[in-house]
Amino acid sequence: AQSVTQLGSHVSVSEGALVLLRCNYSSSVPPYLFWYVQYPNQGLQLLLKYTSAATLVKGINGFEAEFKKSETSFHLTKPSAHMSDAAEYFCAVSDRTGTASKLTFGTGTRLQVTL
Amino acid sequence: EAGVTQFPSHSVIEKGQTVTLRCDPISGHDNLYWYRRVMGKEIKFLLHFVKESKQDESGMPNNRFLAERTGGTYSTLKVQPAELEDSGVYFCASSQDLRLAGADTQYFGPGTRLTVL
Repeated sequence: AQSVTQLGSHVSVSEGALVLLRCNYSSSVPPYLFWYVQYPNQGLQLLLKYTSAATLVKGINGFEAEFKKSETSFHLTKPSAHMSDAAEYFCAVSDRTGTASKLTFGTGTRLQVTL
Repeated sequence: EAGVTQFPSHSVIEKGQTVTLRCDPISGHDNLYWYRRVMGKEIKFLLHFVKESKQDESGMPNNRFLAERTGGTYSTLKVQPAELEDSGVYFCASSQDLRLAGADTQYFGPGTRLTVL
């Protein structure tokens, strides 16, 4: 069985500060890993994904994440936070076995950006 | 290209009533998924269609939930009769044929917020 742990249900940073959202996963097979973002009153939008190519993955809006197998982590970072980054962020792992590809999500981290 | 759409955006019903949620996937996407987020908890998988066939329905809570995808296009999720614990946000997602490159990406709709009173 797969699982995802997101440390910190709420994270607050100042505008211009580093954003670090933590994600650790558990998977019995090499995983596909995803970060999704949900802005207020909108659906989930894909930020970036890891699918066994480069371990450092760059996504939209200046976000990136690094896959570290030894640490079973896939933390999301952005060098400089912007007010528009305030949203809820979800880490997810995909079951790559067979034809099913359901996602297992973490509980989400709500990012607050302050002036 | 239109994204995944869901209807209604909000639904408030009383315990014991029936509600039907609809999802229109991205055109040409064979895979359609339903997920649910109960307040404060994680987003949980409900089921997966490949075209009109149920590939995996291991996440369906009980037999009060019925999902269909007639003709392999849009899907409906019916809850009958609704209970208080069914309240939450129901998300639909779609993806391409898994044999195609990029098919591992699921595109989500905005969700339907269901409130059962």
